[in-house]
Amino acid sequence: GENVEQHPSTLSVQEGDSAVIKCTYSDSASNYFPWYKQELGKRPQLIIDIRSNVGEKKDQRIAVTLNKTAKHFSLHITETQPEDSAVYFCAATSTMYSGGGADGLTFGKGTHLIIQP
Amino acid sequence: GAGVSQSPSNKVTEKGKDVELRCDPISGHTALYWYRQRLGQGLEFLIYFQGNSAPDKSGLPSDRFSAERTGESVSTLTIQRTQQEDSAVYLCASSLASTASLSFGPGTRLTVT
Repeated sequence: GENVEQHPSTLSVQEGDSAVIKCTYSDSASNYFPWYKQELGKRPQLIIDIRSNVGEKKDQRIAVTLNKTAKHFSLHITETQPEDSAVYFCAATSTMYSGGGADGLTFGKGTHLIIQP
Repeated sequence: GAGVSQSPSNKVTEKGKDVELRCDPISGHTALYWYRQRLGQGLEFLIYFQGNSAPDKSGLPSDRFSAERTGESVSTLTIQRTQQEDSAVYLCASSLASTASLSFGPGTRLTVT
């Protein structure tokens, strides 16, 4: 099955600086890579995703890059703001389901992003 | 439209009792996941339902855990003979199979005393 590693587990940056969170995956068949943000006490929310047919995707201050050869993908947040403080989870899956079983999303262990004022 | 709903929102139970947690996915979402999240920890995959395929039960931690899903609607997660280590937030999520983008429910906070 898929194995997703996420680093760092905690990241503290000054407000206004950039933050980068990195993930690696093991299954070369994986082709969909979402990122979720979980604020304290709330449910995870999808913030951006990327499919394996593109190498980068941007949405305002958030961008995700994908290196299929190296099997890693990263989340970049620029001009960080206090409201960016949260736990961020990366995930990977193949949308090509196999046989009678089902392949679901595999999550990384999360990165606690702290924005220092 | 309505999102994923879960009930109860909080459950306190005594060690050894059985509990049943409910998830109502978004209408039309064929994929449904259960995750466990211990305090300050990541998302631990439990079980995944996709349409009529056999569910992926590879994440269930023991035979005390089981889950059912009726067609492409409601799912229930049952924990038998609860233990203190079962205390966690149990999150349900659903998605359209074609996008795999998950919508999470608010979770059920389970406390085993």
